[in-house]
Amino acid sequence: SQTIHQWPATLVQPVGSPLSLECTVEGTSNPNLYWYRQAAGRGLQLLFYSVGIGQISSEVPQNLSASRPQDRQFILSSKKLLLSDSGFYLCAWSVLHAYTFGSGTRLTVV
Amino acid sequence: GENVEQHPSTLSVQEGDSAVIKCTYSDSASNYFPWYKQELGKRPQLIIDIRSNVGEKKDQRIAVTLNKTAKHFSLHITETQPEDSAVYFCASSGNTPLVFGKGTRLSVIA
Repeated sequence: SQTIHQWPATLVQPVGSPLSLECTVEGTSNPNLYWYRQAAGRGLQLLFYSVGIGQISSEVPQNLSASRPQDRQFILSSKKLLLSDSGFYLCAWSVLHAYTFGSGTRLTVV
Repeated sequence: GENVEQHPSTLSVQEGDSAVIKCTYSDSASNYFPWYKQELGKRPQLIIDIRSNVGEKKDQRIAVTLNKTAKHFSLHITETQPEDSAVYFCASSGNTPLVFGKGTRLSVIA
């Protein structure tokens, strides 16, 4: 069966520090991969999605970037975090339409 | 791009009563409409979905209806229970990633 792993679960980082969040999927090939962000008490905002290795589409211009170095690995990065980057980051995968979310990373920028 | 509006933002019902959450979408090319349930601090979980070739789908106490002409779809929960308390998100997609509504916080009062 397919599983999705996302880590770390929580992260507290100072303003201006770098960020790297990793997501991996098992049990499927060539999935579509997504990064969403959820601010406190808010909806899900699509940040990036990828339909294949090295293919990244950005939905929101900001100081975040994404990479897909392997078929089932999706990484969210930042060189310098801002206070406004705080939130709940969710990785998801899909084949056809149904999305499955990872357990999320709660990022607090202080 | 697609825009999804969701109402109400909060909903309180007595245990045993029904709850209805409504969403509208803007892109006539959208053909997939899932609903997710998110408990506090957890990942969103798919509870039911419907495709554009179907007008209604039911799974035990949960049902979803779709009106393609009016571009709206609704989630119906009957015989609500305290464990139904959560935030519910609608979403839609066609050939693009899922776009989510802002969510409805459902509280079931025992």
